[in-house]
Amino acid sequence: DVKVTQSSRYLVKRTGEKVFLECVQDMDHENMFWYRQDPGLGLRLIYFSYDVKMKEKGDIPEGYSVSREKKERFSLILESASTNQTSMYLCASSFGVTQYFGPGTRLLVL
Amino acid sequence: EDQVTQSPEALRLQEGESSSLNCSYTVSGLRGLFWYRQDPGKGPEFLFTLYSAGEEKEKERLKATLTKKESFLHITAPKPEDSATYLCAVQALGDYKLSFGAGTTVTVRA
Repeated sequence: DVKVTQSSRYLVKRTGEKVFLECVQDMDHENMFWYRQDPGLGLRLIYFSYDVKMKEKGDIPEGYSVSREKKERFSLILESASTNQTSMYLCASSFGVTQYFGPGTRLLVL
Repeated sequence: EDQVTQSPEALRLQEGESSSLNCSYTVSGLRGLFWYRQDPGKGPEFLFTLYSAGEEKEKERLKATLTKKESFLHITAPKPEDSATYLCAVQALGDYKLSFGAGTTVTVRA
């Protein structure tokens, strides 16, 4: 069974704080992804990584950065959190085409 | 740009009342079409991957079919535990990302 875990289920941060969201997968998958999910907008890709230290921007990378130092771990960084980054953040991993998602982190920025 | 449209937005069913969800898509070249189930506050759970027109896959009370323009998710004799939001996504050839539809929220009453 594929297991994707995310460091927090719920997170509350202040505007301007630096926020780290961590994702770990245990299936030796090459590819990892960060999405955000908002009502009415669906899931949108922020960044993805196809190998260690490799990353590519998705559809909405502004205000975010990522880090992948080890194959199993992919971090999403909000350099200076803003209220419009309040959202559900979903991490996924894949080896072939099928992406498997983690449980999500619901982030509230006050 | 890849587009995915799901209908209806919401579906209320009586237990045992079979129905179908529609996913219409446009993509330059289809690498895969995916169905996920998402429960409130959780990450999407993978159901099916379909690769080519005419393909069908089944799992318990769910059956997914694919044509060149759309996919259907058939729910046969649903139970209350089938209540969830069902998401459809496509991946284009040569691409990593998934383009998601807005989802269909299914409520099954006992």
